[in-house]
Amino acid sequence: DTEVTQTPKHLVMGMTNKKSLKCEQHMGHRAMYWYKQKAKKPPELMFVYSYEKLSINESVPSRFSPECPNSSLLNLHLHALQPEDSALYLCASSQELAGAGAEQYFGPGTRLTVT
Amino acid sequence: AQSVTQLDSQVPVFEEAPVELRCNYSSSVSVYLFWYVQYPNQGLQLLLKYLSGSTLVKGINGFEAEFNKSQTSFHLRKPSVHISDTAEYFCAVSRAQGAQKLVFGQGTRLTINP
Repeated sequence: DTEVTQTPKHLVMGMTNKKSLKCEQHMGHRAMYWYKQKAKKPPELMFVYSYEKLSINESVPSRFSPECPNSSLLNLHLHALQPEDSALYLCASSQELAGAGAEQYFGPGTRLTVT
Repeated sequence: AQSVTQLDSQVPVFEEAPVELRCNYSSSVSVYLFWYVQYPNQGLQLLLKYLSGSTLVKGINGFEAEFNKSQTSFHLRKPSVHISDTAEYFCAVSRAQGAQKLVFGQGTRLTINP
């Protein structure tokens, strides 16, 4: 199984809502990532977890809150978002955070629209 | 820090013609190099990667790339494209040592015309 799954596929939320994005992998990978991708742009790294600990935070606003409940799951909690946060949110995982085992596998993404 | 430049934002090609998508990178340390493909409304799929060893790397769907250290390039090629190759292609680089943070190029939109 080389699949990363993400739910929901689409999400529309108001600026006062609280919602969560979910990512799951069953490849035994120990590193998991959140990316944000705007239209016609490359993915931008947001957060990296390694062995369930937050390893990298790319200065993301606090309205985005990541959580890694276990080695297979990664959540992204959303609160008080702005319309400019509308984007495709991609999750990825890799065997390790560094070295030759760090090839990243991407999920299909969640298309988020903030109204 | 690492950076990636994809020299063409759009490449139109006729079906069954060869194609080359160009990628140059900048880094003061050893790097790993990747090409990813993104079909409309989908996530990214790894086409191929260069970690070490042979500079000619073969990937999925008939794609290959050549790592050229002196020219700091990693161009992607396919000898004969199909309509189904229409997609966005991203070149990416990461440090070979330490935490792997992928740095992506701006992407090249490959359009295959019949």
